[in-house]
Amino acid sequence: GAVVSQHPSRVICKSGTSVKIECRSLDFQATTMFWYRQFPKQSLMLMATSNEGSKATYEQGVEKDKFLINHASLTLSTLTVTSAHPEDSSFYICSARVLDRGPGELFFGEGSRLTVL
Amino acid sequence: DAKTTQPTSMDCAEGRAANLPCNHSTISGNEYVYWYRQIHSQGPQYIIHGLKNNETNEMASLIITEDRKSSTLILPHATLRDTAVYYCIVRVTNTGNQFYFGTGTSLTVIP
Repeated sequence: GAVVSQHPSRVICKSGTSVKIECRSLDFQATTMFWYRQFPKQSLMLMATSNEGSKATYEQGVEKDKFLINHASLTLSTLTVTSAHPEDSSFYICSARVLDRGPGELFFGEGSRLTVL
Repeated sequence: DAKTTQPTSMDCAEGRAANLPCNHSTISGNEYVYWYRQIHSQGPQYIIHGLKNNETNEMASLIITEDRKSSTLILPHATLRDTAVYYCIVRVTNTGNQFYFGTGTSLTVIP
């Protein structure tokens, strides 16, 4: 299957700092990427849709000024958690659509675990 | 996208077939059924998808009822590595359409 890579896989930061998570499609171009957040023992919650060259579309209840998304190229989307607080500690997962493989399969990165102290 | 209902958890003996049901009674004619699984602390992994016909690949089989209101994912010979949360998702496959995850079924394969 297609490969989506996230970096870093784990990050620990102090409260009030900003953290950037990268999501790369390694062997295909992705015009659309999705960012999810997952709390322990819960399902994945879609945060936003990242579109290459345009503004991201955020789900209801997700603060766009806190979770900055940039999709500057066809292989890279970044999520920046600004002024992180302990309640932002979570597992963040990105995914990308593979347009040339059947009806739009979605492939996921390995996830990035954020811990805010 | 249509809502799905899955059992919260299931057990399966190692080597036996695991049959995971999913109800999607409000599915529309142009919505596909997708199955993903998530092993602890990893990103979800694509398993299989289908529209009307039953599908089979190297990982699993997908059986969709004739009225398309429910489906079953079959892992023919479950192994311990199949222990995971399995998500059934229905969605239209137009450009940009999002995947929304339900609560999924936590499958435990027992030695």
